[in-house]
Amino acid sequence: DAKTTQPNSMESNEEEPVHLPCNHSTISGTDYIHWYRQLPSQGPEYVIHGLTSNVNNRMASLAIAEDRKSSTLILHRATLRDAAVYYCILSVPYTDKLIFGTGTRLQVFP
Amino acid sequence: AAGVIQSPRHLIKEKRETATLKCYPIPRHDTVYWYQQGPGQDPQFLISFYEKMQSDKGSIPDRFSAQQFSDYHSELNMSSLELGDSALYFCASSGRLRNNEKLFFGSGTQLSVL
Repeated sequence: DAKTTQPNSMESNEEEPVHLPCNHSTISGTDYIHWYRQLPSQGPEYVIHGLTSNVNNRMASLAIAEDRKSSTLILHRATLRDAAVYYCILSVPYTDKLIFGTGTRLQVFP
Repeated sequence: AAGVIQSPRHLIKEKRETATLKCYPIPRHDTVYWYQQGPGQDPQFLISFYEKMQSDKGSIPDRFSAQQFSDYHSELNMSSLELGDSALYFCASSGRLRNNEKLFFGSGTQLSVL
């Protein structure tokens, strides 16, 4: 299964944009890039996913590099509620399993 | 909106006992997933079911078994419990992930083995 690499932690100030990077150099053509986040003491929560084109939703934007070897999750204005562990995950083709790696712990300061 | 419901929220067992965790998916979701998250660890995929059949298997111990019933709820059965089984167990549901549906997670069951 293709792997992802994320920084262990990042910090941001409230109301500033946050760019969370993810490297996935062994991604295959059919792997979707998923982002989930986990707030303290809660189950993971879907954020966004995409294949090739950049994606936007009410929570975030996903920028995917042209060669698909990396992607960036963009939170346009961080809030204290965005403090969580963010996981970048590649779907395993033709399966119903989502394998979590070691995500990025985002701290947001007032 | 209805979410994924897990019961119980907390469970305390002793070593070598058995435990059953239940998961009720969001209505019309046909796929259920189980994850185990130890203290300070990332969620580990255990097993998934689609239309009541096992779909994919992860790092689920042989002491654990699971099934999905005709009403789509799922149960994770854990026998001969060990101290290392103490963890948060999450259930998630979705339309089929291989069709790039998104997963919705429950709040989890905290299992403590003493």
